[in-house]
Amino acid sequence: AQSVAQPEDQVNVAEGNPLTVKCTYSVSGNPYLFWYVQYPNRGLQFLLKYITGDNLVKGSYGFEAEFNKSQTSFHLKKPSALVSDSALYFCAVRDLNSGYALNFGKGTSLLVTP
Amino acid sequence: KAGVTQTPRYLIKTRGQQVTLSCSPISGHRSVSWYQQTPGQGLQFLFEYFSETQRNKGNFPGRFSGRQFSNSRSEMNVSTLELGDSALYLCASSRGGGGDYEQYFGPGTRLTVT
Repeated sequence: AQSVAQPEDQVNVAEGNPLTVKCTYSVSGNPYLFWYVQYPNRGLQFLLKYITGDNLVKGSYGFEAEFNKSQTSFHLKKPSALVSDSALYFCAVRDLNSGYALNFGKGTSLLVTP
Repeated sequence: KAGVTQTPRYLIKTRGQQVTLSCSPISGHRSVSWYQQTPGQGLQFLFEYFSETQRNKGNFPGRFSGRQFSNSRSEMNVSTLELGDSALYLCASSRGGGGDYEQYFGPGTRLTVT
């Protein structure tokens, strides 16, 4: 099955510093990868996706992600973190072997401190 | 454009009862998916509908069912509720049926089974 892994349960970063939230994938064929963010008591918000093309994908709220095929990674990045970026971040891969379900990682909690 | 809406937002039920959750997708979206989110299991795919047809189903017992109407609105039903069914149930819609379309999530229905 197509899957993703988020190796860090929590990431702490100071406001203004760059942030990285890690994601690695395990798929057969070309991966369709997504990042979502979840704020408390809210649903998931779509940030960005990689389908094909440029390895650097730009998304909402200043986030970007770098697709690295050799390292099977799709890390989420932002040059300068804001306190309001504190939330739960999910990496997901489309499972093309069983239709179009999204398989999610377990999530990484990002805490940005002032 | 209005986002995905889910009703009710909160629900408390007793073991053995049944429950129906409702989802209205973004206007023009034809695909609706359902996910269950729990602290222990994370986000798990329940099923996906496209043009009133269930295309995929996750690894859940037959007590979980769903349907999609001609206006793309969807409902999911859980019969004979168990304590373990307590979760946040998320509905997501996407414009097309292909794997490259991102899904947009509603705020979820918080189901508590006592």
